Amino acid sequence: QKEVEQNSGPLSVPEGAIASLNCTYSDRGSQSFFWYRQYSGKSPELIMFIYSNGDKEDGRFTAQLNKASQYVSLLIRDSQPSDSATYLCAGTSNTGKLIFGQGTTLQVKP
Amino acid sequence: KAGVTQTPRYLIKTRGQQVTLSCSPISGHRSVSWYQQTPGQGLQFLFEYFSETQRNKGNFPGRFSGRQFSNSRSEMNVSTLELGDSALYLCASDPGGGYEQYFGPGTRLTVT
Repeated sequence: QKEVEQNSGPLSVPEGAIASLNCTYSDRGSQSFFWYRQYSGKSPELIMFIYSNGDKEDGRFTAQLNKASQYVSLLIRDSQPSDSATYLCAGTSNTGKLIFGQGTTLQVKP
Repeated sequence: KAGVTQTPRYLIKTRGQQVTLSCSPISGHRSVSWYQQTPGQGLQFLFEYFSETQRNKGNFPGRFSGRQFSNSRSEMNVSTLELGDSALYLCASDPGGGYEQYFGPGTRLTVT
């Protein structure tokens, strides 16, 4: 079992809809989680991080963390074609490393 | 502030050769991490340096090594290149060894 798992997608949503990206993790010791966006041919860009259970909002983005169920999600409201990218979920491990999921490809159709 | 820079951006090498990649972190950032990204394996952690010391290491063979200089710049070396080493090598820096990593543009290495 991979330590951080994501559905590779593609996840396709119409413009203006809410995109929901999910991630599960196996290490109960993971404390912090990060969402990165990676456009094709570019390097990952940090979007949000979350440490505590619950929701954290930043503009159109909301990160959700549920430590009991070991899942993290990223909601993108009012999705735009420019949001089309691969979204990488990452969690800290008890060895101090940052473990990345394989990423979910999001396609926002005009 | 200027972002993370990596050189070279593209590299073509032959099996058996060695290669050195360079990374300059964001000014003031003391931690530098290296990752390998391939379509099949995704983003995999190679190692992290903080204040010139390797603080963490991933599950890669000893052919992969690195170092960090007193100005926080870092280099990564791969010896005896194999075809499977073809990948995008990403460097990321963060201010103090946390996890808010900022990635450079990467070096695309092709081994033929």
